[in-house]
Amino acid sequence: AQRVTQPEKLLSVFKGAPVELKCNYSYSGSPELFWYVQYSRQRLQLLLRHISRESIKGFTADLNKGETSFHLKKPFAQEEDSAMYYCALRNTGNQFYFGTGTSLTVIP
Amino acid sequence: DGGITQSPKYLFRKEGQNVTLSCEQNLNHDAMYWYRQDPGQGLRLIYYSQIVNDFQKGDIAEGYSVSREKKESFPLTVTSAQKNPTAFYLCASSDYSGEAFFGQGTRLTVV
Repeated sequence: AQRVTQPEKLLSVFKGAPVELKCNYSYSGSPELFWYVQYSRQRLQLLLRHISRESIKGFTADLNKGETSFHLKKPFAQEEDSAMYYCALRNTGNQFYFGTGTSLTVIP
Repeated sequence: DGGITQSPKYLFRKEGQNVTLSCEQNLNHDAMYWYRQDPGQGLRLIYYSQIVNDFQKGDIAEGYSVSREKKESFPLTVTSAQKNPTAFYLCASSDYSGEAFFGQGTRLTVV
């Protein structure tokens, strides 16, 4: 079975401060991890995936297989980063499993 | 305009009635999914389909049914057997590159 855990339902940071959204997973196989974001009144969309190892909108995430984590980080938060963030795992059967989400608020 | 279209945006149902939510995609994706989104519970997988004429139950399939007669379409029926159907429903599709694309969602309310 697979499971994705996001321990923080709500997270508030000040503009310019670093932000880290935590994600842990459990899966017996080799997972593919993603971060999806939902801005207000917009559909859920991909932010980044671990295999691409790229920075999107200043966000990065590193897959740590030893700690089974895929935390999302950004060194300087911006107001436009306020959104709902979901960590997701894709298994070898091409099914996507999502965490419960973290609502990020960046305070001006 | 390519993407996934869910309809209707809002749906009201009387208790005891079945209701069908529409999901159409023109992305030529093989895989399609239905999720239920409740506050504090994230997205939970109801059903998924990897190919036409085939679908599998997800974690919370009880009280729901689907069909996949065409590649483009994956309708979800919420039956009267679903005890707590009021929720936000999301449809998604993906190809095997790994990214899932989502519709705008349907909010179902039982009245």
